[in-house]
Amino acid sequence: ELKVEQNPLFLSMQEGKNYTIYCNYSTTSDRLYWYRQDPGKSLESLFVLLSNGAVKQEGRLMASLDTKARLSTLHITAAVHDLSATYFCAVDPSGTYKYIFGTGTRLKVLA
Amino acid sequence: DAGVIQSPRHEVTEMGQEVTLRCKPISGHNSLFWYRQTMMRGLELLIYFNNNVPIDDSGMPEDRFSAKMPNASFSTLKIQPSEPRDSAVYFCASSLDRTSGRIEDNEQFFGPGTRLTVL
Repeated sequence: ELKVEQNPLFLSMQEGKNYTIYCNYSTTSDRLYWYRQDPGKSLESLFVLLSNGAVKQEGRLMASLDTKARLSTLHITAAVHDLSATYFCAVDPSGTYKYIFGTGTRLKVLA
Repeated sequence: DAGVIQSPRHEVTEMGQEVTLRCKPISGHNSLFWYRQTMMRGLELLIYFNNNVPIDDSGMPEDRFSAKMPNASFSTLKIQPSEPRDSAVYFCASSLDRTSGRIEDNEQFFGPGTRLTVL
């Protein structure tokens, strides 16, 4: 069974702190996506990681992909309240067009 | 570009009624996906179309669910008859599939969703 697991499921952190969200997947995938979802809103694309070793950064967020370990990380640097949201990773198993979404990580940044 | 457009944004109906959700993908995209999101099950892919043809409907929960894509700019997801357990947020997403040769493609862009409540 294909599984995409995120860790942690819930994260409460203080402003200014750093933290990492992990995304583990059980199948071969040559690309991985990170999305953000605010409460009651749609999914907003954050990062598209297309190869092993890929690293992308946007503001206080940095995502990386290790296809050999089947692991992606989303690192948060000096968190601010505006980053509070649910973050999803999704894999696109090779040869298919079907995303398998992770469980989501609900992040709350406390002022 | 207006992005993926869905209607209605909210739908409240009574058990047994027919519900039709609508989606307009991003112009030029040739793949369309219907997802359902619930607290219990997270995001589930229901069906996806490529070039207006249903490719995989293995996620459609029951025969009460049906989806169509009569042309490249319109798709519907119908539930008949609806049941309370169908209450969820239904998202439509579109993408330009990877066979175009551009490595950046296949990224899915999501619509605002339809929040369905079946009483």
